[in-house]
Amino acid sequence: DPKIIQKPKYLVAVTGSEKILICEQYLGHNAMYWYRQSAKKPLEFMFSYSYQKLMDNQTASSRFQPQSSKKNHLDLQITALKPDDSATYFCASSQEGGDEQYFGPGTRLTVL
Amino acid sequence: GEQVEQLPSSLIVQEGASVLINCSYTDSASVYFPWYKQEPGKRLQFIIDIRSNMERKQNQRLTLLFDKKTKHLSLHITATQPGDSAIYFCSPPSNAYKVIFGKGTHLHVLP
Repeated sequence: DPKIIQKPKYLVAVTGSEKILICEQYLGHNAMYWYRQSAKKPLEFMFSYSYQKLMDNQTASSRFQPQSSKKNHLDLQITALKPDDSATYFCASSQEGGDEQYFGPGTRLTVL
Repeated sequence: GEQVEQLPSSLIVQEGASVLINCSYTDSASVYFPWYKQEPGKRLQFIIDIRSNMERKQNQRLTLLFDKKTKHLSLHITATQPGDSAIYFCSPPSNAYKVIFGKGTHLHVLP
């Protein structure tokens, strides 16, 4: 019974294209996060949201845009994809900011 | 910003051994210290936490020690099992909405 759903599980894209990574949580949490993990870099914080508002952003590139259409949704739109964007993207949520986080299974993105 | 260092970066032990994973951080404002475990190809899972007003916390085979003065944490795992093989992450938040993870400690428990 998955509490945090990420779709798709695997994604292959061509350089220059645009993709949306989906994240939905059914834990009733108020805070949601995005992280990126690749072989080159350790687990990297990207964004945090609370009650659908951006709280912190550590991603320098504007190509990465979180989108929160509902309280339990935090999607990640990535434009002008580059091979360096290849990574596993994890969504997480917590009851409030600063609480323990529950992670989704990840979306593995490969950019050719 | 917050800097986190974990040592060792990797450990290989025989089943039944005890291991110690160390974590140092820089931000004195950090007050909450969760630890996560990531098995190969899987999501991160919360395993134990401690708050800055505590020195020690135990959860079954896991014991977490915290030294506020030296900004240092130690995770002790006893009676290790092959199922403990994973990457262990220390993650002191620099604020409530920004979590910085260490590079992780890769633990491999041999049967």
